[in-house]
Amino acid sequence: KAGVTQTPRYLIKTRGQQVTLSCSPISGHRSVSWYQQTPGQGLQFLFEYFSETQRNKGNFPGRFSGRQFSNSRSEMNVSTLELGDSALYLCASSLQGFTGELFFGEGSRLTVL
Amino acid sequence: EDKVVQSPLSLVVHEGDTVTLNCSYEVTNFRSLLWYKQEKKAPTFLFMLTSSGIEKKSGRLSSILDKKELFSILNITATQTGDSAVYLCAVEGDTGNQFYFGTGTSLTVIP
Repeated sequence: KAGVTQTPRYLIKTRGQQVTLSCSPISGHRSVSWYQQTPGQGLQFLFEYFSETQRNKGNFPGRFSGRQFSNSRSEMNVSTLELGDSALYLCASSLQGFTGELFFGEGSRLTVL
Repeated sequence: EDKVVQSPLSLVVHEGDTVTLNCSYEVTNFRSLLWYKQEKKAPTFLFMLTSSGIEKKSGRLSSILDKKELFSILNITATQTGDSAVYLCAVEGDTGNQFYFGTGTSLTVIP
């Protein structure tokens, strides 16, 4: 069974640009959550979607947004990029979105110049 | 504020040593605590703990949770170079599949 797939794996942007990252969860998984990983802060929760609805959102500015489609695939968007947005963005899926294991993708590494 | 703290931040040991990694937490309405191993790719699941005092084991790895003192430990016995990784602790609160992660413990096992 295919794992969580994230695209693109690597990207470089300049300040002020915007970026869209994509995540395809494991087949049958309806919950998709996004995390930002930086060396100093570790993994920080961005948001979680379940059946196309955002159920929870972390403490990130409004420049960070996301959505989930009917096939459970999810996208996140960051507008007006800042240098501090450089990070590994990890997507994780789970079956029902309640207590249980998160399955992570390999991440999209964003560098903002 | 909900938080998860892992210690030590990094650890260097020799093959065959036993290590203990610590995770303490302050999370509202605790639901579960998970341990992950992250090499230079996606974090992979190790254990999920929900009840105090019940040890989970998988080969040379084991983990236990203390919900009264709000911590968990991950033990690795007879370490191997393949155990070199960052070990992440994550705690789920009662707010819709939101996990709070520690910054991880970086383990290096020297041959």
